[in-house]
Amino acid sequence: EAGVTQFPSHSVIEKGQTVTLRCDPISGHDNLYWYRRVMGKEIKFLLHFVKESKQDESGMPNNRFLAERTGGTYSTLKVQPAELEDSGVYFCASSLIAGGADTQYFGPGTRLTVL
Amino acid sequence: DAKTTQPPSMDCAEGRAANLPCNHSTISGNEYVYWYRQIHSQGPQYIIHGLKNNETNEMASLIITEDRKSSTLILPHATLRDTAVYYCIVRGGVPRAGNMLTFGGGTRLMVKP
Repeated sequence: EAGVTQFPSHSVIEKGQTVTLRCDPISGHDNLYWYRRVMGKEIKFLLHFVKESKQDESGMPNNRFLAERTGGTYSTLKVQPAELEDSGVYFCASSLIAGGADTQYFGPGTRLTVL
Repeated sequence: DAKTTQPPSMDCAEGRAANLPCNHSTISGNEYVYWYRQIHSQGPQYIIHGLKNNETNEMASLIITEDRKSSTLILPHATLRDTAVYYCIVRGGVPRAGNMLTFGGGTRLMVKP
């Protein structure tokens, strides 16, 4: 069974440009999460989808970040316009059942560098 | 979700058991203890989780104290590939209430030859 996949693995862009990250969850997983780790900081939650609906987006830093999950399958995270402080590693995770007893499985991450 | 406290770093000799402690004194009755690890800059890898009873899988064992205020992750025969940052995370059991994982600083385990 394929795990969580993310594309691209690396992205280098100029400040002010737009970048779109993609996450393909494990097949059949209704729950999809985005996290990120910026330099020197801990991994932080961004948002949580249940199918195509945003369940919790309390971790989204500002309105330059837009996450979508049309059709309840893959998800995209767009950063527009990108700023220097957006550099970091963006992780996606998916799970079958939301709540304490479910397990989130992470993808390999996308390393974003904003110059 | 309850906060956790872990030592920032530990060393372990290759082939020996690695015992990683975690304190979660404010854990509530329906909160689970999860362990993940991150090797280099890879995505966090799920290891094991438990509620009250001790748990064991092919990767590790999880020992939870009777009062649930602390736990220990045991890697029975550590290898060099187990060098990683290990995260102990307490997470609510109520669906749609705090489904996120809250990562702290973790414990950096260095397995030495």
